[in-house]
Amino acid sequence: QVTLRESGPALVKPTQTLTLTCTFSGFSLNTPGMCVGWIRQPPGKALEWLAVINWDDDKFYNTSLETRLTISKDTSKNQVVLTMTNMDPVDTATYYCARLVYGDAAFDIWGQGTLVTISS
Amino acid sequence: DIQLTQSPSFLSASVGDRVTIACRASQDISTSLAWYQQKPGKAPKLLIYSTSALQSGVPSRFSGSGSGSGFTLTISSLQPEDFATYYCHHLNSYPGTFGPGTKVDVK
Repeated sequence: QVTLRESGPALVKPTQTLTLTCTFSGFSLNTPGMCVGWIRQPPGKALEWLAVINWDDDKFYNTSLETRLTISKDTSKNQVVLTMTNMDPVDTATYYCARLVYGDAAFDIWGQGTLVTISS
Repeated sequence: DIQLTQSPSFLSASVGDRVTIACRASQDISTSLAWYQQKPGKAPKLLIYSTSALQSGVPSRFSGSGSGSGFTLTISSLQPEDFATYYCHHLNSYPGTFGPGTKVDVK
């Protein structure tokens, strides 16, 4: 059974750096074709694609946010980490991680999401 | 980056109705389009990938079609559990993007 779970702070101050961890099970990021991505959703708004990392350690970022984002993986721990710098109240959102199967070009399994609030 | 638009933004329908949601890409994305369903407070759920492939466990009343820049999601007979928001998503090239969503509610 494939599962993903997001973890990280619920509250972050403006200008600080957010670090989120996605811990997954049921698949390996060493397997060709496997990827993990991050997606966020501000309250009442649409989904926003943030970043994806693949089995070959290639990384892809939202163009408008890429100067603030870093995605990395630790395959020994089955974890993917997303950092986002210089947080602002507009970054308040539920952050999801999800598995992406390269050939299907879709996020097939999602974590439950974690709400991150940016406030002083 | 490729942009996705959806129409309509809101749709009021009744149980048993046939519902169609459109998604348009700003450029040709071949068939690299997926559809998700999201209910309040829940993570999105994959319904359709590669334009028309039904994700395992998804009822057959959901179907997808299209190619190039125009795509549709159809629910052949709307059920009570189908009232939700639907998003299209492309990954023809990186970065991917999501559409703005279509909310289907009770007429």
